[in-house]
Amino acid sequence: SQQGEEDPQALSIQEGENATMNCSYKTSINNLQWYRQNSGRGLVHLILIRSNEREKHSGRLRVTLDTSKKSSSLLITASRAADTASYFCATDAAGAQKLVFGQGTRLTINP
Amino acid sequence: GAVVSQHPSRVICKSGTSVKIECRSLDFQATTMFWYRQFPKQSLMLMATSNEGSKATYEQGVEKDKFLINHASLTLSTLTVTSAHPEDSSFYICSASRGGRASTDTQYFGPGTRLTVL
Repeated sequence: SQQGEEDPQALSIQEGENATMNCSYKTSINNLQWYRQNSGRGLVHLILIRSNEREKHSGRLRVTLDTSKKSSSLLITASRAADTASYFCATDAAGAQKLVFGQGTRLTINP
Repeated sequence: GAVVSQHPSRVICKSGTSVKIECRSLDFQATTMFWYRQFPKQSLMLMATSNEGSKATYEQGVEKDKFLINHASLTLSTLTVTSAHPEDSSFYICSASRGGRASTDTQYFGPGTRLTVL
């Protein structure tokens, strides 16, 4: 079963606005990763945050991790039409040598 | 660097035939490759993990005789869908990792293969 659950399932905003997506998980983890997938394409790795980190930035991306709540958020600032894609969180359940993906958030940026 | 390719990108086949999908790491050696399946508007489901030179480890519920995985070299893994049926139609994605530890080794994903079984 999928460990990560994301909300919202779908998000539609205007270009220039900020987009926030959330991910919750069930077991302890070593790290949590966020990926982007354009329609019908493979996954692009965006950012990895380790369990001992609380916040990480990469360009317009900001990721937070709250291990006490077993949740993470991905914030995309100043969104662009090219950010339209599905975004997935993935966790490596501690002890398991594999990634478990969340259900994903479909983000649409309207011009 | 860290580019992963898949071939073919799309394949349409008749029910009962077998289809082979290749996954290659183009500029690095991949100790471990992963095969995922994705249904429309759904998440990725791990099917199996393969390490070079050894048998693949299949996830619960995945038929190993139906989905044959061969990881013959450090740059190539193949997934063969045997006796394909319409319910096998899906998007198959591979990923490759230099190491094999999800906790420390980044997975690089291929562009995916769309399989349609008529």
